[in-house]
Order: sequence, then C-alpha cells, then structure tokens
Amino acid sequence: EVQLVESGGGLVKPGGSLRLSCAASGFTFSSYSMNWVRQAPGKGLEWVSSISSSSSYIYYADSVKGRFTISRDNAKNSLYLQMNSLRAEDTAVYYCARASGGSSFDYWGQGTLVTVSS
Amino acid sequence: SYELTQPPSVSVSPGQTARITCSGDALPKQYVYWYQQRPGQAPVLVIYKDSERPSGIPERFSGSSSGTTVTLTISGVQAEDEADYYCLSADSSGTRVFGGGTKLTVL
Repeated sequence: EVQLVESGGGLVKPGGSLRLSCAASGFTFSSYSMNWVRQAPGKGLEWVSSISSSSSYIYYADSVKGRFTISRDNAKNSLYLQMNSLRAEDTAVYYCARASGGSSFDYWGQGTLVTVSS
Repeated sequence: SYELTQPPSVSVSPGQTARITCSGDALPKQYVYWYQQRPGQAPVLVIYKDSERPSGIPERFSGSSSGTTVTLTISGVQAEDEADYYCLSADSSGTRVFGGGTKLTVL
C-alpha cells in the first residue's frame, strides 16, 4: 500500500525556518517525481515545488522561489522541503504528492500544518 | 504569471449533469488534470491528460478539451460528488499551476 506521511509542521515566527519531511512507503520511491502542494486555510490548492526522480529537474512556484528548497533522499525514501524566510502568507497545510506521469498526482499524504505567526 | 480560470461555483440537482470549465492560454499545448477535494480530505485525481480516467474513478466523470478551455463533466451527479474541484496544468517552463477551484453543490 502506497503511503505518504508528512511531518515537521508547526508554529514558527515570521522570518523563521522550518523543514518538512515526507516519508514514502509501498512503492519504488526512486522511480517517481514528487511534489509539494499547499492549501492556506479556507483557500484553494497551490502547487509549491516538484523534483524529478533523480533530482535532476527541480521547479518552484514564483511565490516560494529563493526561499524554499526541495530535496529528496532516495536511500531513505524521503522528500523534504526546507522553508526559509517564512511569511504569514506561507501559513497552510502542506501536502506531498507522488506524480505518476506529468501532473498526475496519484497519491497524497494527509498534510502537515505550518503556521507562521508572531 | 500563468493562470487557470475556473468558475467559483456550480450547482446541479441530483441526476443532472455538471460541467466545470478551466481556461488558460497554454491549454492547447498542455494537458489538464482534475482533482476532487472533499472537506477535510486530501485531493483525489479524477481525470488526467484532459480526458483519461484513473482506475477506480466512476465512469460518470469525463473530461474534454476545446482550444483554451477544458471541461470536467460529471453525468448523473450524486450527492457524494459534492466537493471542490481543481484543474492543474503546467506552463512551458515546467512549473505547475492550479485553477482557483470550483465548489460543486448538489441541490
């Protein structure tokens, strides 16, 4: 059974940093591109970042470029999102999602809540 | 930046057909993917590559494309289809973008 479990969310002050993790199981992690998607409270989905299976291709939304860094460790079946210079508008539930091809995000985690507030 | 436009809301009675559109300048060249999100749950892929249906998704869900507009059609809408629906596509640089979402209300 495919499982994606996010962790690392919490309350952080503006300007602070946080590192999210996504533990994958039930599939060959190293064969799939992975993504982070977020959803602010009461708002729509926002794609954040993607990373190819071998980390060769990395993309970011303009809203996080230069502040967030996506990475993965295929040996540990884990996906990461390093978030720096956090702002109030980064407050959201962050989901990791597997891409089975293109933008077919076929499996999602349950999400982890990041709250940026003083 | 690239944008996808969806209607904020669509309402239909049970058994009727719901159509949700997604418009964007790059859509003639890029596939669209549709996601259903029920309250408090993670999104679920219901249509990929404009019109393909993943296994396990009911046949009443279908997708079509015409020019800069892609349409998600739900035939014979059921109460359980009430949810938010999002389209997702990519621009030429590889970045993805979601539409603003459409709340489907089953009357």
